[in-house]
Amino acid sequence: AQSVTQLGSHVSVSEGALVLLRCNYSSSVPPYLFWYVQYPNQGLQLLLKYTTGATLVKGINGFEAEFKKSETSFHLTKPSAHMSDAAEYFCAVSVRKGYSTLTFGKGTMLLVSP
Amino acid sequence: KAGVTQTPRYLIKTRGQQVTLSCSPISGHRSVSWYQQTPGQGLQFLFEYFSETQRNKGNFPGRFSGRQFSNSRSEMNVSTLELGDSALYLCASSSNTGSYGYTFGSGTRLTVV
Repeated sequence: AQSVTQLGSHVSVSEGALVLLRCNYSSSVPPYLFWYVQYPNQGLQLLLKYTTGATLVKGINGFEAEFKKSETSFHLTKPSAHMSDAAEYFCAVSVRKGYSTLTFGKGTMLLVSP
Repeated sequence: KAGVTQTPRYLIKTRGQQVTLSCSPISGHRSVSWYQQTPGQGLQFLFEYFSETQRNKGNFPGRFSGRQFSNSRSEMNVSTLELGDSALYLCASSSNTGSYGYTFGSGTRLTVV
């Protein structure tokens, strides 16, 4: 079985500052990793995903994440926060073996102040 | 390309009633999954359907059921509603097993009173 841990239920940054949202996963087989964003009263929007190949993955809205197998991590970063980035972010894992579903972390609420 | 469509967006039901939620996946997607989202438990997997067959099931009581039709549209049903069933129910579709990424709908907000 796989699991995801997101460190920090809330992260606060100033507009223009670096955004770093942490995600660690546990999986007995090679994982697929995802970051989703959720705005209030909306569904989840895929930011980026890692399946195979390059470990540095670029997504939408200037976000990127790096898969580090040795650290079992998939942290999400953005060089410069924008007010519109304020939302809840979810890290998720699925596995390549068999038919797998998404297992989500508890989510991190990103707060951006002017 | 139309996204994942969930209806209705909002629903208020009374304890003991039953409810049916609908999900239309992206055209060509054959996998549909359902998730329950609550403040306390977060996002929890309910079940997944692929080509009209339930392929995976989460740890929910039998009051939660679902089905998928030949056009890939899916419904989930909750019988004998309890207050704790109040949640945002999200549907997600994928072209395969989800390894390429799920696309989520906007959800149905169910309130049980």
